[in-house]
This record gives sequence, C-alpha cells and structure tokens, in this order.
Amino acid sequence: AQSVTQLGSHVSVSEGALVLLRCNYSSSVPPYLFWYVQYPNQGLQLLLKYTTGATLVKGINGFEAEFKKSETSFHLTKPSAHMSDAAEYFCAVIPGYSSASKIIFGSGTRLSIRP
Amino acid sequence: NAGVMQNPRHLVRRRGQEARLRCSPMKGHSHVYWYRQLPEEGLKFMVYLQKENIIDESGMPKERFSAEFPKEGPSILRIQQVVRGDSAAYFCASSPGQPNTEAFFGQGTRLTVV
Repeated sequence: AQSVTQLGSHVSVSEGALVLLRCNYSSSVPPYLFWYVQYPNQGLQLLLKYTTGATLVKGINGFEAEFKKSETSFHLTKPSAHMSDAAEYFCAVIPGYSSASKIIFGSGTRLSIRP
Repeated sequence: NAGVMQNPRHLVRRRGQEARLRCSPMKGHSHVYWYRQLPEEGLKFMVYLQKENIIDESGMPKERFSAEFPKEGPSILRIQQVVRGDSAAYFCASSPGQPNTEAFFGQGTRLTVV
C-alpha cells in the first residue's frame, strides 16, 4: 500500500529565504511522485513530477524536488521565496507499475511568506 | 484544449435534498477521480472511475454517495439526503490513464448544506 507523510502542516519563511517542504512516502513498488499547489478557492495545479530517470526534478515557478530512494523522501525546495508562493502544497504518490491506481495525497503544508 | 470542467462551482442544498456534482474531463482523458476536501484538511480520495467502470471506490461512504462515468457525458457524483457534514469542496481530476501521467484537477464544487 502507498502512503504519504508531509511533515509540518504550516511552514512560514521570509521573502527571499529558502523554502523546504518535506514529504516522505511509503510504497511497496517504485513510486511515481508529484507535488501539487493549491491557491485559495482554486483547484490543484501540478508543480512537478518524478516518474523515472533523473532524481532531481525541476518544476514551475522555480521549484524543484529530489527523489531519494534511500530516505523514501521527495522534499520540495525553492532557493528564494516570493510572496506569490503563499499557498497550500500537496505531495502525492501512485505506484509506478500500474496506471489504474488512485492517487494518494499527503495532508498538505500551508506555506506563508513573511515580508 | 479545455481543462477539467466542474459544475456548479457553488451548490447550496437543504438537509435531506440531493446534490449532483458534474465533472467533464479533459479531451482524450478516460479516467476520473473524485476527492473531498474539508476546511483546513487535505484531499480525501473517494472514487476512481473509467468510462462505464468503477475502478476503486474504497473511499466512498457506504450510504448516500454514488458515482458514475457513462460512455457519453460527464462524470456525476451524487449525494442523496445530504447532511451538514457533507459540506465540503469536491474536486474532480482526470487523466489519460497511462503510466507516468499526472492528473489534472478542476476548480472544484463547493457544497454547502443548510
């Protein structure tokens, strides 16, 4: 079975500071991993995804994430936070062997940016 | 290529009424997911459908909730005899159903039960 744990339901950083949002997964098979962002009263938008190949994945808006199999982690980072990054961020996993599988989401991390 | 379309965006129902939420997937997508999001909470999986087939309904409440994705037309999430606890945002997502592809989300339907 697959599961996702996001450490920290709320993260606050200063504008210009490093953003680090943590995600650990559990999967019995090689996973596909995703980060989504949700702005207030909006749906979810894909930031980036890892399927196979390069373990450092670059996404939109300057975000990137690194798949570390040994640590079962897929942490999201951005070198310099911007006020527009304030949103809810969700990590998600599906098993990589099958297309017919539900997507499991973490509980989300709300990112706040201090001026 | 239009995105995933959900309607209505906002729905108000009195206790005991029925709520019907519609989701039109992206063109070419044959798989649909439904999720529920309560205030200040994450996304809870409800059901995963392929056209004319329910693949996984392990997240659906045993009573009052049903979902379908017919050969023609949108996917429908139906909630009968709504209660206040059903108030939430309901999100639909679609995918082509192929490996290593992500799901694309709609804007959600915000259901309020009064």
